[in-house]
Amino acid sequence: ELKVEQNPLFLSMQEGKNYTIYCNYSTTSDRLYWYRQDPGKSLESLFVLLSNGAVKQEGRLMASLDTKARLSTLHITAAVHDLSATYFCAVDRWVNTGNQFYFGTGTSLTVIP
Amino acid sequence: SAVISQKPSRDICQRGTSLTIQCQVDSQVTMMFWYRQQPGQSLTLIATANQGSEATYESGFVIDKFPISRPNLTFSTLTVSNMSPEDSSIYLCSVDLSALTQYFGPGTRLLVL
Repeated sequence: ELKVEQNPLFLSMQEGKNYTIYCNYSTTSDRLYWYRQDPGKSLESLFVLLSNGAVKQEGRLMASLDTKARLSTLHITAAVHDLSATYFCAVDRWVNTGNQFYFGTGTSLTVIP
Repeated sequence: SAVISQKPSRDICQRGTSLTIQCQVDSQVTMMFWYRQQPGQSLTLIATANQGSEATYESGFVIDKFPISRPNLTFSTLTVSNMSPEDSSIYLCSVDLSALTQYFGPGTRLLVL
């Protein structure tokens, strides 16, 4: 069974601080996805990491992928309140019915002024 | 990207009744996916719906409870049958346009009393 785990599940951090969210997965996969979900809203795609060693940055968020360790990280730099949301990682696996996504447990981030 | 709409956006239903959720995409897609997100939880894939074939259900989900239609390449419906309070969730449809990421609809928030 494919498992995708994130930690921490809940994260409360002060504005201006740095922190890293971790995503571990149990199967071989060359692709890793990060999504953001605001309360009461749907999911927004943040990053698609397509290969080992991939690193992508957007504003205060930077995501990286280590396929050998089956680990992705989402690093937050100098957090601001607007980053408060739930962050999900996901991996995909091709099956005969199509490309299926498996989501992590989610990390609920609260940035405190 | 894709523009995905869902109807209804939210509903409150009585136990024992059924609700059909519609998902409309602004472009033709081969695969559409239906997810359930229970309160405070991650996303769980219910089924994959390909046009012209029967939907493929994940473990723990059955066609009698969650019948799916896929009459064309831009539309799908998910019915939640004989509802109980445990079915209270957000139901999301998604599409896989380029096999690089999935785009999600805004979700249908269902409360069963």
